[in-house]
Amino acid sequence: ETGVTQSPTHLIKTRGQQVTLRCSSQSGHNTVSWYQQALGQGPQFIFQYYREEENGRGNFPPRFSGLQFPNYSSELNVNALELDDSALYLCASSLAGGRVDTQYFGPGTRLTVL
Amino acid sequence: EDQVTQSPEALRLQEGESSSLNCSYTVSGLRGLFWYRQDPGKGPEFLFTLYSAGEEKEKERLKATLTKKESFLHITAPKPEDSATYLCAVSSGGGGSYIPTFGRGTSLIVHP
Repeated sequence: ETGVTQSPTHLIKTRGQQVTLRCSSQSGHNTVSWYQQALGQGPQFIFQYYREEENGRGNFPPRFSGLQFPNYSSELNVNALELDDSALYLCASSLAGGRVDTQYFGPGTRLTVL
Repeated sequence: EDQVTQSPEALRLQEGESSSLNCSYTVSGLRGLFWYRQDPGKGPEFLFTLYSAGEEKEKERLKATLTKKESFLHITAPKPEDSATYLCAVSSGGGGSYIPTFGRGTSLIVHP
């Protein structure tokens, strides 16, 4: 069974640039969620994708957008980067339709905005 | 709005010194409560899902319990390799998306 993978591991960008982060879900999972985790904080929900459509969104501005592909992999795009966007970005996959959707996380992408 | 509060924020133990971490929650209709372990700079590693009050689950030196208002993660005779941040999250009903709300975590350091 293949776990959740994310790329790249680390990324350095400057303010105003755009970034794309990628996630491959665990085999057999059909739902992908993205989280932002600042240092010393718990993960904050950005959005979730199920069957290639957004299935819920947290309190993040529209410059945070995403995609889910037919193979259930996903991208997180952030436009007009700000310094406060520096964080660990986590992708989690789950299988919708069960008793409750336990989420399994990838290793994360560390984004630094200068 | 679901709320999760974890205490203490940080905990230092000597190897072999058992203790408990607390997760208090407020939720309308609990679907599940999750415990994760997170090492610095890494993604959270799933430990347990608890569904209803009275449920308990164990894995090696860890035991998670659940009441209607809180969950405890008991660590028995911890080892230095148990040092990590432990995250609690709750998922409530409605909409079917089961998006969890996370606490800020408890940072555990176990000294040899």
